[in-house]
Amino acid sequence: DTGVSQDPRHKITKRGQNVTFRCDPISEHNRLYWYRQTLGQGPEFLTYFQNEAQLEKSRLLSDRFSAERPKGSFSTLEIQRTEQGDSAMYLCASSLWGGTDEQFFGPGTRLTVL
Amino acid sequence: KNEVEQSPQNLTAQEGEFITINCSYSVGISALHWLQQHPGGGIVSLFMLSSGKKKHGRLIATINIQEKHSSLHITASHPRDSAVYICAVKGGTSYGKLTFGQGTILTVHP
Repeated sequence: DTGVSQDPRHKITKRGQNVTFRCDPISEHNRLYWYRQTLGQGPEFLTYFQNEAQLEKSRLLSDRFSAERPKGSFSTLEIQRTEQGDSAMYLCASSLWGGTDEQFFGPGTRLTVL
Repeated sequence: KNEVEQSPQNLTAQEGEFITINCSYSVGISALHWLQQHPGGGIVSLFMLSSGKKKHGRLIATINIQEKHSSLHITASHPRDSAVYICAVKGGTSYGKLTFGQGTILTVHP
């Protein structure tokens, strides 16, 4: 297994457009997390899945944000009607609950909203 | 006040120096992570610990649960250690989400 992967690595979009990011976790991991990191800050929690169930969402996740993990494997994060304030690095992590539950991070998707 | 505070925010060292980065937290936790982030964004987990001390190569992490404090030490620092080091805690009653410090920017000069 090559670890957590994310696609795309970079996305530039115009304000008002919709964007979708994908995360493929480590194959046996049942927990998947999305975080957002703005320049010079530590990451902030957005949402979390255990298998296909979305169990927790941050108040940072406005109605324009939606995340899915349809079969408990890969996950998508969609941002509708993007705003300049959405520009950030979007990080995905996965872990095995029932094991060490240590989180392993993907390389991130850097979003720039013009 | 943030739940997780790191110090210093910026650290510059000469190659070979012993480095310490500190992390204090204000919530009950089940585990604490030390993470490394290089320019470009990718985050690598260095340690996950809930008590005592762990060592990996030139890196040592310690935690004092009673004092809600952890330290990351780098012995014989090298320019390739230059990165952002982030402390993150997992709350005892959460589903495992991490709460992060703001990071410490380490620059090691040759």
